[in-house]
Amino acid sequence: AQSVTQLDSHVSVSEGTPVLLRCNYSSSYSPSLFWYVQHPNKGLQLLLKYTSAATLVKGINGFEAEFKKSETSFHLTKPSAHMSDAAEYFCVVSDQSPGRRALTFGSGTRLQVQP
Amino acid sequence: DTGVSQDPRHKITKRGQNVTFRCDPISEHNRLYWYRQTLGQGPEFLTYFQNEAQLEKSRLLSDRFSAERPKGSFSTLEIQRTEQGDSAMYLCASSRQGEYQPQHFGDGTRLSIL
Repeated sequence: AQSVTQLDSHVSVSEGTPVLLRCNYSSSYSPSLFWYVQHPNKGLQLLLKYTSAATLVKGINGFEAEFKKSETSFHLTKPSAHMSDAAEYFCVVSDQSPGRRALTFGSGTRLQVQP
Repeated sequence: DTGVSQDPRHKITKRGQNVTFRCDPISEHNRLYWYRQTLGQGPEFLTYFQNEAQLEKSRLLSDRFSAERPKGSFSTLEIQRTEQGDSAMYLCASSRQGEYQPQHFGDGTRLSIL
């Protein structure tokens, strides 16, 4: 079984300050982990993915995430927030169990960026 | 890469009617997925195809729901006898075959049941 917990439903930061969106996962197999972003009334865009290579993963738009197996965490960070980063962010796990391709999404974190 | 395309973008219908949505995946992707997203929640997996074979179905996919991918290209999702609880965003995604291939999502079809 696999599950994802996003620890904050809302995060508010000022433009130019760091962003931290927290995610913990549970998986019976070696997981693949993803962060997706969703702007209002749009589909989901892949920010980055972890697939058992480097534990620090760099994505688009300056976002990074670090896989920490001992803490079962995959937190998303960005050094300096931009107004255009305001959106809903989803942490996602795929446990690569045989025959299963379903992604399991967290409930999302809404990021607000204040001017 | 023209992206995943979904049609229609919005569908409003009365309770009890049947609705059908279409998804056109990225052309070189042989895997296609359907998800449902209700307000304030993350998407939930419904079903997935590899080519024309439907290989996995969620318990969420009641017998009123049916998905097809007859030629291994586009897919349709039909909901029969719609209910209020079916109101949601229906998202389609596609991916290449192979481990760790990310899923690419369309903009979704928003279904509203009156």
